[in-house]
Amino acid sequence: AQTVTQSQPEMSVQEAETVTLSCTYDTSESDYYLFWYKQPPSRQMILVIRQEAYKQQNATENRFSVNFQKAAKSFSLKISDSQLGDAAMYFCAYRNSFQGGSEKLVFGKGMKLTVNP
Amino acid sequence: EAGVVQSPRYKIIEKKQPVAFWCNPISGHNTLYWYRQNLGQGPELLIRYENEEAVDDSQLPKDRFSAERLKGVDSTLKIQPAELGDSAVYLCASSQIPTGGNEKLFFGSGTQLSVL
Repeated sequence: AQTVTQSQPEMSVQEAETVTLSCTYDTSESDYYLFWYKQPPSRQMILVIRQEAYKQQNATENRFSVNFQKAAKSFSLKISDSQLGDAAMYFCAYRNSFQGGSEKLVFGKGMKLTVNP
Repeated sequence: EAGVVQSPRYKIIEKKQPVAFWCNPISGHNTLYWYRQNLGQGPELLIRYENEEAVDDSQLPKDRFSAERLKGVDSTLKIQPAELGDSAVYLCASSQIPTGGNEKLFFGSGTQLSVL
């Protein structure tokens, strides 16, 4: 079974600074997807960024970028120019790649990010 | 476009009582998920539907939990009877499976259940 580990339960960053959230995972599959989700107090899980395992290029979405190390099974999220609105719980998630339909997400335990003004 | 709608937003019940949660997915989404999120944890899948068919219910505690998705649209998750350990946030998500398997999930805001 696949597992996702987020070893840092909490982090803080100063507004406008850069912070990196770490995540490791375990799988025997060669093709899969990795995700970072943000969960504000509203509880809605919001997709931040997605990485396809077969792509060597790291995904980027505006101020968010990932460092995907497939051999090390590591998937970290870098937030640049941190904003107060970035404060939330962040979850790393894994999903098998299956061309025939849906697949479940496997989540880590999450990490609370605080942004200090 | 309306997102995934869940109700109620909060529910407080006494143990051994029944409870039901409702989810209305995004229009046209054929896949629907129920996740349970315990305090301080990430969500865990309870059941996954493709249209009306439950394609993965291996994590659903079938002695007390039941779910249905009539006509492949709205879904209801029921617990009867509820236990103290069922206190959690119940999240619903939906997606439309495109070709190539590049699925994108949309989550609702969940129902927070407190069992006293």
